Amino acid sequence: DADVTQTPRNRITKTGKRIMLECSQTKGHDRMYWYRQDPGLGLRLIYYSFDVKDINKGEISDGYSVSRQAQAKFSLSLESAIPNQTALYFCATSDASLSGANVLTFGAGSRLTVL
Amino acid sequence: DAKTTQPPSMDCAEGRAANLPCNHSTISGNEYVYWYRQIHSQGPQYIIHGLKNNETNEMASLIITEDRKSSTLILPHATLRDTAVYYCIVNTNAGKSTFGDGTTLTVKP
Repeated sequence: DADVTQTPRNRITKTGKRIMLECSQTKGHDRMYWYRQDPGLGLRLIYYSFDVKDINKGEISDGYSVSRQAQAKFSLSLESAIPNQTALYFCATSDASLSGANVLTFGAGSRLTVL
Repeated sequence: DAKTTQPPSMDCAEGRAANLPCNHSTISGNEYVYWYRQIHSQGPQYIIHGLKNNETNEMASLIITEDRKSSTLILPHATLRDTAVYYCIVNTNAGKSTFGDGTTLTVKP
């Protein structure tokens, strides 16, 4: 099984619908992240969480919300999906390394299409 | 977190070394340099990271200049499977990782 699991892997929905993307990890990492990737571009950070009680906005948080239900689970919600939220979404985790490094482990991605 | 600058694309012949540059002139003393790659639309894969010293692992080598303002990722014997987008990022342990558009490396037969 993958260390970082995202569900669903693919989702097609309609404008105005509420969508939840889920991420679970078995690495025991404290830190979790949600990124968005548009075609031909790099990843942009939506939200991140350094522990269960910590939630932080990233570069592009408008239109999104998150929930850190447990150390291993971090969900991304689109309350009312719109077509320009069509993108590939990645969840990532990292550990607060004693060495000072912050290496990310990514999930396989969730492709979302909003019609 | 410091910003990075990478060339948008590079080509490399199969079996030759691929040298991917990255500029990070505003890097601060406690920021690490990380390299990831993304094959097609898969999740990015960690390659290597470093702070001051050059680093090597089973995948690649990382050369960081003495002033730390730039670095080079070296894939010693590139294969067709190394064709991917390579991202160079810098941040601290407390920071959030910001990805630019990366370098698209094409390994040609």
